[in-house]
Parts: sequence; C-alpha cells; structure tokens
Amino acid sequence: DIVMTQSPDSLAVSLGERATINCKSSQSVLYSSNNKNYLAWYQQKPGQPPKLLIYWASTRESGVPDRFSGSESGTDFTLTISSLQAEDVAVYYCQQYYNTPPTFGQGTKLEIK
Amino acid sequence: EVQLLESGGGLVQPGGSLRLSCVSSGFTFSSYAMSWVRQTPGKGLEWVSTITGSGESTYYVDSVKGRFTISRDNSKNTLFLQMNSLRADDTTVYYCVRGGVRWYSDYWGQGTLVTVSS
Repeated sequence: DIVMTQSPDSLAVSLGERATINCKSSQSVLYSSNNKNYLAWYQQKPGQPPKLLIYWASTRESGVPDRFSGSESGTDFTLTISSLQAEDVAVYYCQQYYNTPPTFGQGTKLEIK
Repeated sequence: EVQLLESGGGLVQPGGSLRLSCVSSGFTFSSYAMSWVRQTPGKGLEWVSTITGSGESTYYVDSVKGRFTISRDNSKNTLFLQMNSLRADDTTVYYCVRGGVRWYSDYWGQGTLVTVSS
C-alpha cells in the first residue's frame, strides 16, 4: 500500500497569515500516460464529512476559495492557504487515488494562533 | 444538487451482520463509481470498498475481504454494503462517497455509525 505521511500533525497560524501543510507519498502517484498526480486534499470540520478541496494535486474544486492551492514536487505535495480565515479551522487530509487501496494521510489539525 | 443519504447503521453483536444503504440523487448514479469510506478516531480515514458504475467490478481493503460485499441498484440509485462477521474493530462511522479507485471522492454523505459490541 502507498503510505501518505502528513506534516505537521497540528498547526497554529494567525488570521491572515499563510498556512502550509505537507504530504509525502511513499511512492510516485504520477500516472505517466496523462501526466497527472492522483492526489487530493480534503477539509473536515467538526461533525461534518470531509469536503474535497483539491484534486489532481493542484486543481481546485468548484466553489473552493482561491486562497486554497495545491502544489507538487515529485512525491512531495503541499496544500497552502494564502491568508487564513476563521472558517478554515479544520482537519486537512491528503489522499492518493493512484493505487488500490486508496490511502489517506493521518490528518493535520489547523487552528488559529 | 448531489445528495448521498446513508442508513442502516446501529448496534450489533460481534459476529453479527448489518446492511448499509446509500440513496443518491442529483446526478446520473450509474455513471459513477461509488465507495464506502470509514473513519475512526484512532485510524483516521480508511477506504473500505469501491464498485464501478456498472457494478461489474468491486474492490475491497484486505481487512474486510470475504466479510463485506458492496453492491448497487442503479434503477433505485442506491448503494449497499453488506457487512457480515462483524468485529469490534469495524466500529466506526461509514461514509458513502462518490468516486473511488483511480478517481477522487468529490461528494460524501453525512455518515452512519456502526457499533459492534456485546
């Protein structure tokens, strides 16, 4: 199975500041035939199911604010929130959907400093 | 608007069975693979099973193979998960999800809680 490792486990950022969450896959999730990384990011607020933010590592889901962005470098992936808002407090998960079983990172809890 | 509504969770004794259902609306159900994903405080998010849009192919995480069966009724826009030989470590919230193998999960239901306990 592909292991997804997120860092840090928790993060406290001031309102309006940048938040950066990292995710590393134990092997490539790049499909050579379409040059896409099979990597998604989800946001989960308390009492709610996860919500899709980013897919193909850097494509923002419809309706997601443009302060959320995703990037990749090999097997390292990053979710960036450019200017933290109060409503962004949540747990964030990365997921690879390249291989079966699809696997998730352990989650990063984002709080306001 | 896409909606996924799970039902069927509850309390069951070890070794027992439950059948989860997920009624879908707002999209062409048969065009999408569907999955079940579970979440526990200790293990986080864990993909359980996926079925293709036609129902021809199914996939399972190793820990449920031989015990769980995923199926769908495209005429009723409904996804199922038959869970047999339930164990204490199957206790968790189960989410119905649109998407699955080789595709991201773009819609999630609210979840249904399964508790396996004597």
